[in-house]
Amino acid sequence: GAVVSQHPSRVICKSGTSVKIECRSLDFQATTMFWYRQFPKQSLMLMATSNEGSKATYEQGVEKDKFLINHASLTLSTLTVTSAHPEDSSFYICSAIAGGTDTQYFGPGTRLTVL
Amino acid sequence: AQSVTQLDSQVPVFEEAPVELRCNYSSSVSVYLFWYVQYPNQGLQLLLKYLSGSTLVKGINGFEAEFNKSQTSFHLRKPSVHISDTAEYFCAVSESNAGGTSYGKLTFGQGTILTVHP
Repeated sequence: GAVVSQHPSRVICKSGTSVKIECRSLDFQATTMFWYRQFPKQSLMLMATSNEGSKATYEQGVEKDKFLINHASLTLSTLTVTSAHPEDSSFYICSAIAGGTDTQYFGPGTRLTVL
Repeated sequence: AQSVTQLDSQVPVFEEAPVELRCNYSSSVSVYLFWYVQYPNQGLQLLLKYLSGSTLVKGINGFEAEFNKSQTSFHLRKPSVHISDTAEYFCAVSESNAGGTSYGKLTFGQGTILTVHP
């Protein structure tokens, strides 16, 4: 149980385009989802917290207009990187918490490469 | 706010040897503690967690960790490692009584790359 999927697993796009990444909890309802970014050889940095039916809460230094987060249902959250630039290239990982628990379950990650 | 320090960025060991990956944390409030493992180009997999109760926590793949409140540590151990344990390991903490926008937020350490040699 507690499986989280991400789609796509890998995406390459041109500078200036937008990319959408989906995060799904497959066998549980996720009241809260998190989005992280991981640069090579570095730890995970929390970007934002997404609660179903409400606006995402962004960490300091993360541009909310650039990284659009939508948590439309209890099993799906999306991250859209708008007008992507090469410096946005990174490994994006989502996680989800089931209601009433304290453990995050992580998706397999999406590697974004912006040319 | 919390912080997590993983004292070793890389730990090389030989197969079947014991290993300890060190983790220290700093927090002004009670915390939950976690160890995650990340294989290349994959997301994180939960190894074990401490929420309350016994300070010795057993996880998957033969790993265990001990919560030491006085030393603010949560070191990860395995008595005999395998080649397949080669991966990066992350220690993380979250507030145990967090509410609102802080609920469930994890703070990660820098990671420790464990390399098991034959």
